[in-house]
Amino acid sequence: QSVLTQPPSVSGAPGQRVTISCAGSSSNIGANYDVHWYQQLPGTAPKLLIYSNTNRPSGVPDRFSGSKSGTSASLAISGLQPEDEADYYCQSYGSSLGGFYVFGTGTKVTVL
Amino acid sequence: QVQLMESGGGLVKPGGSLRLSCAASGFTLSDYYMSWLRQAPGKGLEWVSLISSGPGTYTNYADSVKGRFTISRDNAKNSFYLQMNSLRVEDTALYYCARDPANGVGGWFDPWGQGTLVTVSS
Repeated sequence: QSVLTQPPSVSGAPGQRVTISCAGSSSNIGANYDVHWYQQLPGTAPKLLIYSNTNRPSGVPDRFSGSKSGTSASLAISGLQPEDEADYYCQSYGSSLGGFYVFGTGTKVTVL
Repeated sequence: QVQLMESGGGLVKPGGSLRLSCAASGFTLSDYYMSWLRQAPGKGLEWVSLISSGPGTYTNYADSVKGRFTISRDNAKNSFYLQMNSLRVEDTALYYCARDPANGVGGWFDPWGQGTLVTVSS
């Protein structure tokens, strides 16, 4: 049902850098619509992590960064911390005809 | 402090109805596009429905709920709602309400409520 494709899981040791990809199409990311990222810690509601491709809301550590190119986007976590272990979702615009907002399939980040 | 609080979840039989509420505090709800989203147990996030800012005359629904769910808003109560009819087992999920600060195309969700659980089972 998800329109945007993410890897199911990524892992890294503390201090390492990991990246999460978000693959879309010419109907969403490739149509120049912005990509946003959310972090969902276990048992909690999602929290905005990155908006409009590269922007961090106040309070989000600068080890989180976003990028976008063509029909895909990426979230990078530098200096991985144990508290970064969570599910991460990308999100973009779908279309006004259905699926106005679309999400990625989600990626589980495990800190080894 | 900008906050959203959902209520109204519960256990309902297939074919039944339920009305979810989302109360906003710290901001004027009618200034923003507002949405309902859901997350089935162990699954990912799914957008369900939106209501536009201002008069709230523009609404939109995911194909999976179109014709069964209705979104509405009460500006006086700074709240909005999701009326869910003809519920199916596959509607079982944690339902979140969220604000779109960008108001529409290209927008995102911030903040989110804590969620209210809807279980559809016989």
